[in-house]
Amino acid sequence: VTLKESGPALVKPTQTLTLTCTFSGFSLTTTGMRVNWIRQPPGKALEWLARIDWDDDKFYSTSLKTRVTISKDTSKNQVVLTMINMDPVDTATYHCAREGGSAYGMDVWGQGTTVTVSS
Amino acid sequence: SYVLTQPPSVSVAPGQTAWVTCGGNNIGSKSVHWYQQRPGQAPVLVVYDDNDRPSGIPERFSGSNSGNTATLTIRRVEAGDEADYYCQVWDGSSDRWVFGGGTKLTVL
Repeated sequence: VTLKESGPALVKPTQTLTLTCTFSGFSLTTTGMRVNWIRQPPGKALEWLARIDWDDDKFYSTSLKTRVTISKDTSKNQVVLTMINMDPVDTATYHCAREGGSAYGMDVWGQGTTVTVSS
Repeated sequence: SYVLTQPPSVSVAPGQTAWVTCGGNNIGSKSVHWYQQRPGQAPVLVVYDDNDRPSGIPERFSGSNSGNTATLTIRRVEAGDEADYYCQVWDGSSDRWVFGGGTKLTVL
């Protein structure tokens, strides 16, 4: 099982960020499977952003739900995170991670992709 | 919203036992997961569902959870255990994942 994040390393303030998580070794059509996005600003703690489930249920961080959208393309084994109106405080490493259920935690993580927001 | 509180730092000598706590309101009623994050690396799940270990995680890592405190215990600490440790729960009342603020474990 592997997951890998991809996307721009640099975005300007007010722009929209689109990140793609490409995974292998499992399917998001399998009952109970989920993929999450988590970010970590430099020197700070992990922050959960969003989750998408095998049945297309979606869950969002309360503080970011007006700016974030998560979607999946099961034919491509990809999960996409879109974040609008980017700000320098959104500078962080963004990870995607597989989850097999809330009792199991996030058992496999991608290496992360670093996004800097600057003009 | 649900809040998890961790001490910013814990120090321990090699070969000793380290305890990393995670406080939350009635956390004993939730499943707690623990992650290890070494510098520059992605987090790794070391304990899930309070006290289960993924395959490949040494038995030195264990967890407990009761009342308002969950604890990650690392026995016979090694230099390679030096890392940040995060606790995590699913807050079912709001359908959100919550992470603690992280604890930096220093091996003296």
